[in-house]
Amino acid sequence: DVKVTQSSRYLVKRTGEKVFLECVQDMDHENMFWYRQDPGLGLRLIYFSYDVKMKEKGDIPEGYSVSREKKERFSLILESASTNQTSMYLCASSLRGAQPQHFGDGTRLSIL
Amino acid sequence: EDQVTQSPEALRLQEGESSSLNCSYTVSGLRGLFWYRQDPGKGPEFLFTLYSAGEEKEKERLKATLTKKESFLHITAPKPEDSATYLCAVQADKLIFGTGTRLQVFP
Repeated sequence: DVKVTQSSRYLVKRTGEKVFLECVQDMDHENMFWYRQDPGLGLRLIYFSYDVKMKEKGDIPEGYSVSREKKERFSLILESASTNQTSMYLCASSLRGAQPQHFGDGTRLSIL
Repeated sequence: EDQVTQSPEALRLQEGESSSLNCSYTVSGLRGLFWYRQDPGKGPEFLFTLYSAGEEKEKERLKATLTKKESFLHITAPKPEDSATYLCAVQADKLIFGTGTRLQVFP
């Protein structure tokens, strides 16, 4: 079974802090994704990566950056956290092309 | 504009009462349609992939079907443990998620 592991289930940070969310997958998948999920808005794509050191902007990249130094690891960075970034953050991976994405259990991030 | 719409938003069923969830889509160049189950506070769990009209997939009490405009997730004789939010996602140039159907099954 595919396993996508997110480093924290719950995280509380302060406004202005730099925040790192880590994600690791164990199935040698090519693609990795970061989403946020908010009530009434569904899943929105922040960034994705098709290969090591490669990144593409999703629908809502503002205020975020990413890093993929190794194939199995994809990090989301909030450069200067703001209260409107309080959300559930979900990492996903997929083998390639039109293969299904597999999700981690999410990090519920609160910015105070 | 590519769009995915799920209905109903919420569904309450008695245990054993079969029903269907709908996912309608308008996209250019469908490459695949996926169904997920999401429990509160957890990430979506992959259920099915459908690639072409007429295709069907089954798993326990769930059966997914696909036409050129929509997909159905049929739930036969549901149990309380089937309670969850069911998400549909369509792969075109990018993956587009619907907002889900929240299913509650009462004993």
